[in-house]
Amino acid sequence: ILNVEQSPQSLHVQEGDSTNFTCSFPSSNFYALHWYRWETAKSPEALFVMTLNGDEKKKGRISATLNTKEGYSYLYIKGSQPEDSATYLCAAANAGNNRKLIWGLGTSLAVNP
Amino acid sequence: NAGVTQTPKFQVLKTGQSMTLQCAQDMNHEYMSWYRQDPGMGLRLIHYSVGAGITDQGEVPNGYNVSRSTTEDFPLRLLSAAPSQTSVYFCASSYGGLSTQYFGPGTRLTVL
Repeated sequence: ILNVEQSPQSLHVQEGDSTNFTCSFPSSNFYALHWYRWETAKSPEALFVMTLNGDEKKKGRISATLNTKEGYSYLYIKGSQPEDSATYLCAAANAGNNRKLIWGLGTSLAVNP
Repeated sequence: NAGVTQTPKFQVLKTGQSMTLQCAQDMNHEYMSWYRQDPGMGLRLIHYSVGAGITDQGEVPNGYNVSRSTTEDFPLRLLSAAPSQTSVYFCASSYGGLSTQYFGPGTRLTVL
């Protein structure tokens, strides 16, 4: 069974700080890794989908990297703003006949003005 | 495009009642799925469909039925509601099961 873990569980930073969080997954038989941003009272919105070892993706101040050999992905936020406050979810899938996304519990980020 | 729509947004049921949560998408996505989200737990897959006429069970299917008569609609039926089904339910659609998921706004269900 694929187990996806995210750390830290929650994070409080000051406006302007840069921050990063981790998503860990089993490296064997890896297929894809997703990052989503989930604001309170809204639904998750996709940030990135990554499939290749060494992938780096960027959207504005948010970027992500992928290491499939060691089974982790980092999400970075540069110069955090209060509007970045949200829960950041990752989901991973492995190859095989029963491919499904397995979701982590998320990292809850609060950015204080 | 409206994207993924869900109705109702809120619902309160009594134990034993049945109801249907509606989900529709206008993006011509083949893959649709239902998740539930509970405190302290990740999104858990209830049922999914890879196309019209095809459905399959996810991680937590007991107590729920689905059907997919059209590409656009994927209703979730609670057969006999139980307090353990109190949760927030999200419908999602995508081109494929492992592609970017587009989520509906969610339905908050309380079973008394």
